Parts: sequence; structure tokens; C-alpha cells
Amino acid sequence: EAQVTQNPRYLITVTGKKLTVTCSQNMNHEYMSWYRQDPGLGLRQIYYSMNVEVTDKGDVPEGYKVSRKEKRNFPLILESPSPNQTSLYFCASSLETGPVYEQYFGPGTRLTVT
Amino acid sequence: KNQVEQSPQSLIILEGKNCTLQCNYTVSPFSNLRWYKQDTGRGPVSLTIMTFSENTKSNGRYTATLDADTKQSSLHITASQLSDSASYICVVSERGSYIPTFGRGTSLIVHP
Repeated sequence: EAQVTQNPRYLITVTGKKLTVTCSQNMNHEYMSWYRQDPGLGLRQIYYSMNVEVTDKGDVPEGYKVSRKEKRNFPLILESPSPNQTSLYFCASSLETGPVYEQYFGPGTRLTVT
Repeated sequence: KNQVEQSPQSLIILEGKNCTLQCNYTVSPFSNLRWYKQDTGRGPVSLTIMTFSENTKSNGRYTATLDADTKQSSLHITASQLSDSASYICVVSERGSYIPTFGRGTSLIVHP
């Protein structure tokens, strides 16, 4: 089944404890991205990747890192999480960028930082 | 700054009725506009994608319209079903940019 998977789905952690949220897609998509969704603010892009080893900042990259060593994986790294990073995170992928390409979202990871 | 405004913020309708959701944007130059459906606790799912030259796109009971001159789009849902209860998100992309601008969504509740 074609899909985007994220792990973990739920995570509660403490301030400053490094964590990684994994994202994997099995559709051979070139474009992948990370978003956070907060009540009243809508979705905002954190980072995106055009292809392997090509990543760039989105709207809200502060406090996050990403890597794209393989085409299928695009992990999101929080080196020193803070309470303002408590949010619902989504990974997404599409075959390529551009208006004709549908973007597929993962199921989401709900992160709480205390 | 690019903005996408959606209205109404929330809407309650009876099963079987039609409804229309609105999206106004300031994004320029325009590349494409997408409508997504997001069920509670799940990732958004694409409904329609429209470029500058398209003014109508349908996906089953969902029909999106685009007026690029007035920078407005609407999503019309026909013969609503209980499963249509969800948040509907309008997303607009700027030509040459890889960072889309999301609206805050319209929360639709369909009552039996």
C-alpha cells in the first residue's frame, strides 16, 4: 500500500532531551516536507527536501534539523526540545514539486514537551 | 506577506444539504490552489488542485472553483454526508516558491 508513515505517533518528553521523529514513504517520491499544526494557526512548513541531500528551510525552521540521506526517509530532529515545540507534526511527500503533483500526508505525530 | 483567509471558521449543516466554503488569498504570483480534507486526528487528504488556467475542478461531490482575478476560491459540497464532517483547508502556492501558504481551515459538522 502506498503510504507515508511516521513514528512515533505520540511522544511525551522533557525539555532539552533530544528526539527524532521518523518519516518514511514507499512511493519513490522526490519531494518531502515537514509541517507543524497548532490550534488557530493552521499548518506551517518547517523544512522541505527536493531530493537526496537537498534540504531547505520552510516558514518555521528554528529549533529543528532534518536530513535526507535516502530517498524514502526524512527524519525530523529536535536537538533540544522546548515547550513551544509542543504540536502536531505531519510529514508529507509528492512525486515532484509543482502544481500537478498531489501531496500525501502521514498520519501525524503528537508531541508534548514538558 | 502572503495570506490565505477561509470563511466561515465553522459551519453546521444537516445531512443531505449543500454547502459552500470560501477561500480568499493574497499570494502572488500565483501557482496553484489546493483544497484538503482533514479528519480529526489524521493527516490532510487532497481533494482538488487548480492552476491559473483552471476555474473549476470536481472530485465526486466536491467542486472547487477559482477566480484568479479576484483571488478567490470556493469549495462546494453537494448532498452532504455524515462522513463529510471534517476540517477543510485551502492552500495556495506562489510561483517559484516551495513554501505553501495554508489557510486556518473551515470546520464542517454534518448532523443527521
